[in-house]
Amino acid sequence: AQKITQTQPGMFVQEKEAVTLDCTYDTSDPSYGLFWYKQPSSGEMIFLIYQGSYDQQNATEGRYSLNFQKARKSANLVISASQLGDSAMYFCAMRGMNTNAGKSTFGDGTTLTVKP
Amino acid sequence: DTEVTQTPKHLVMGMTNKKSLKCEQHMGHRAMYWYKQKAKKPPELMFVYSYEKLSINESVPSRFSPECPNSSLLNLHLHALQPEDSALYLCASSQEASTGYNEQFFGPGTRLTVL
Repeated sequence: AQKITQTQPGMFVQEKEAVTLDCTYDTSDPSYGLFWYKQPSSGEMIFLIYQGSYDQQNATEGRYSLNFQKARKSANLVISASQLGDSAMYFCAMRGMNTNAGKSTFGDGTTLTVKP
Repeated sequence: DTEVTQTPKHLVMGMTNKKSLKCEQHMGHRAMYWYKQKAKKPPELMFVYSYEKLSINESVPSRFSPECPNSSLLNLHLHALQPEDSALYLCASSQEASTGYNEQFFGPGTRLTVL
C-alpha cells in the first residue's frame, strides 16, 4: 500500500520569501516516482516537479525544488521567491512501479496563501 | 502541445438524465485516467486506460461508464447519478500507465452538479 502525508493543511508566506511544503510517504514498492501538483481555485491540476526514487540529485524546476530525503521518506517542496500567483492548493503524490503501477496516491493537500 | 482538454466545463443534470464527459489529448500518451474530486479533497482515481484498454476500475458504480474510442479520446458516460456524485471530474494522461516514472497531465476538469 502507498500513503502520502501532508501535515500542513494551510500555510502563509510573505511575497518574495521562500516556503517549504512538507510531504512524507510510505510504500512497499522498491522504486517509485514522487510528484507535486498545484491546483488553483479554477480547478486545474498543474504538474510542478518530479523526483524518481533512484535519482541521486534533488529535482529543480525554476523556482521549485524538491528536497528528497529517501531514508526519512520525505519529499518536501520548496518554493523560492513566492509570488501572489502561487496561492493555491498543493498536492504531493506518488506512483509505484510494481504493485501500484498506474495508480497515483495523493496527500490531502496544503493550501498556500501568499500575502502581499 | 502539452494540453489535455475537457468538455463541458460545467454540467448540471437531473438524476434521470444521461450525459457524457469528454477528454482529449494529442501528446501521444498511451494512458488516460478519470478522477473524481470533492471540494478541498485530493483527487480519487476512478478508471485507468492503458493502450485503449481498461486496466483499472476502482470499484466505481455502474452508473459511471468509461469509454476509450481511440488513443486520444476518453469519455465518461453518466446515467442515473445521485446528488452525492456532484464533484469536479478530472481527466489526465501520461506516457505510460505501467511506470511511476512519468508525470500525469491533467485537464481543467468538468464541474458536475446533480440535482
